Amino acid sequence: NAGVTQTPKFQVLKTGQSMTLQCAQDMNHNSMYWYRQDPGMGLRLIYYSASEGTTDKGEVPNGYNVSRLNKREFSLRLESAAPSQTSVYFCASSGRRGVMGGVAKNIQYFGAGTRLSVL
Amino acid sequence: GESVGLHLPTLSVQEGDNSIINCAYSNSASDYFIWYKQESGKGPQFIIDIRSNMDKRQGQRVTVLLNKTVKHLSLQIAATQPGDSAVYFCAETEIDGQNFVFGPGTRLSVLP
Repeated sequence: NAGVTQTPKFQVLKTGQSMTLQCAQDMNHNSMYWYRQDPGMGLRLIYYSASEGTTDKGEVPNGYNVSRLNKREFSLRLESAAPSQTSVYFCASSGRRGVMGGVAKNIQYFGAGTRLSVL
Repeated sequence: GESVGLHLPTLSVQEGDNSIINCAYSNSASDYFIWYKQESGKGPQFIIDIRSNMDKRQGQRVTVLLNKTVKHLSLQIAATQPGDSAVYFCAETEIDGQNFVFGPGTRLSVLP
């Protein structure tokens, strides 16, 4: 059971290049998310997908596009990379909310991250 | 000079002591909170959660306390071990919401 898998783990781009970050989950979760993490800061939501076929902007969507390819896969695309997009990118997924031990659950499970440098 | 934002708050504790990590949240409407642990080079991992109708919740060696009056959350780790060294994040959301808001994190360093 792999959980959330992200590829690639590392990437170096030149300004203006494009690339797609891939994310797949095998937990049959409906919701998927893309975050970026910058030094000394918490995670900031870029885009999310509440269910297959839907996507919504998060806090910092500019410069990114996403595709929810199917229930398992959610990709993040940088059309024209900029140095400000140097960051660590995390994909996450969450399942149907339920109740466990008296607490309703909405836990997000994260991948290992993609470390992106834009020169 | 460097931005203050680049430096995480750091808590250093002796192995075997108890640790308390604090978090202030911003949204009065938030009613679900999670603590995550992030080890170097890895993604955040779920530790414990709590809903706003509770003040305290205990897990294995961890306790989360919620004070809604002052919008404050804390994570207590009992008998801190070297494996607890990591960055700890709190996250808040409304229970039916998709958008979690993450705090900046606190780095816990366990001294031998």
